[in-house]
Amino acid sequence: RKEVEQDPGPFNVPEGATVAFNCTYSNSASQSFFWYRQDCRKEPKLLMSVYSSGNEDGRFTAQLNRASQYISLLIRDSKLSDSATYLCVVPNSGNTPLVFGKGTRLSVIA
Amino acid sequence: SQTIHQWPATLVQPVGSPLSLECTVEGTSNPNLYWYRQAAGRGLQLLFYSVGIGQISSEVPQNLSASRPQDRQFILSSKKLLLSDSGFYLCAWNSAGGIQYFGAGTRLSVL
Repeated sequence: RKEVEQDPGPFNVPEGATVAFNCTYSNSASQSFFWYRQDCRKEPKLLMSVYSSGNEDGRFTAQLNRASQYISLLIRDSKLSDSATYLCVVPNSGNTPLVFGKGTRLSVIA
Repeated sequence: SQTIHQWPATLVQPVGSPLSLECTVEGTSNPNLYWYRQAAGRGLQLLFYSVGIGQISSEVPQNLSASRPQDRQFILSSKKLLLSDSGFYLCAWNSAGGIQYFGAGTRLSVL
């Protein structure tokens, strides 16, 4: 299994839809996880941190399944402004603490 | 609050020319610093990281090098650019909570 794997998409969804992305990771010792958002031609920015079983922030919900080693991101009531690439990020060891997935591209369509 | 600065924002360089990209962090001391590259439509590739002044770890062999002359300054260099060096270069630092924060990036085109 690769360190971090994501479905690259693209996910094309209409406004108002609910969409979910999954991410699998290989390091079973990982304790904290992150979802980053990257807009086209911009730097990645932190969207959510996940330290236990899950985290919710408005329309966004992140869930962690340690037994199956996957993290999910759920977006409810999608907005046009949610269109971006979503990166799953998992801790590594030592001083290279984060491993970034290649990202899942989301396009929300009017 | 902490901020991270990268410059220039865009750069067009001929093949074989040298490169110097600079990154500085404000509002924190002795941060772990990172250089990433993102090729068009691809994921982030870690190039170098540094845990302190003069300490550089290289993740991939290539014609790039990095230096950390001061605590909050991280420089990415090349003596002779290749076409394959084109990409989006991002500098990042790590917070105590393990979160990485990125600079705005430099978009390099080697022609």
